[in-house]
Amino acid sequence: EAQVTQNPRYLITVTGKKLTVTCSQNMNHEYMSWYRQDPGLGLRQIYYSMNVEVTDKGDVPEGYKVSRKEKRNFPLILESPSPNQTSLYFCASSTTSGGNYRETQYFGPGTRLLVL
Amino acid sequence: SQQGEEDPQALSIQEGENATMNCSYKTSINNLQWYRQNSGRGLVHLILIRSNEREKHSGRLRVTLDTSKKSSSLLITASRAADTASYFCATDSLGGAQKLVFGQGTRLTINP
Repeated sequence: EAQVTQNPRYLITVTGKKLTVTCSQNMNHEYMSWYRQDPGLGLRQIYYSMNVEVTDKGDVPEGYKVSRKEKRNFPLILESPSPNQTSLYFCASSTTSGGNYRETQYFGPGTRLLVL
Repeated sequence: SQQGEEDPQALSIQEGENATMNCSYKTSINNLQWYRQNSGRGLVHLILIRSNEREKHSGRLRVTLDTSKKSSSLLITASRAADTASYFCATDSLGGAQKLVFGQGTRLTINP
């Protein structure tokens, strides 16, 4: 089954304790992206990657890191989480259509993070 | 910054009625997409309309695009309880960065 998986689905942590949220897709998609969703603010893009070893900042990259060492995986790293990073996080992937990656995106189920 | 703005923010209708949601955006686009999100879950792609298209259908969904007004509408006909969800428009700006920009969504409730 074609899917995007995220782990963990729920996480409670404390300020400053490094954490990683994993994202994996089995569709051989070139493009992967991380979003955070907050009430009243909608979805905002954190980072995206157009292929292996190619990553770029989205709208709200501060406090986050990503890596793309393999095509299927795109982990999100919070090196020193703070309470303002409490949010619902989504990973998404898509493939290119005529060079445009910005078409149908497939979303993971989400990771709900609480930073105390 | 948010490109798409949905209207209304919330909509409640009776089962069987039609639901219409609107999206306005600011810059020229390659395409506009609509996604559905069931409570707290991942978004699901519904339909994509390109800038050179004016109307598109998919099952009970009808999307229109007016590039002169920079607006789009999503019509769900003969609504069902299972259509209860949040609906988001997402725009792919012409000449913009490699990303979609999502609006804040319309929360649709279908009452039995």
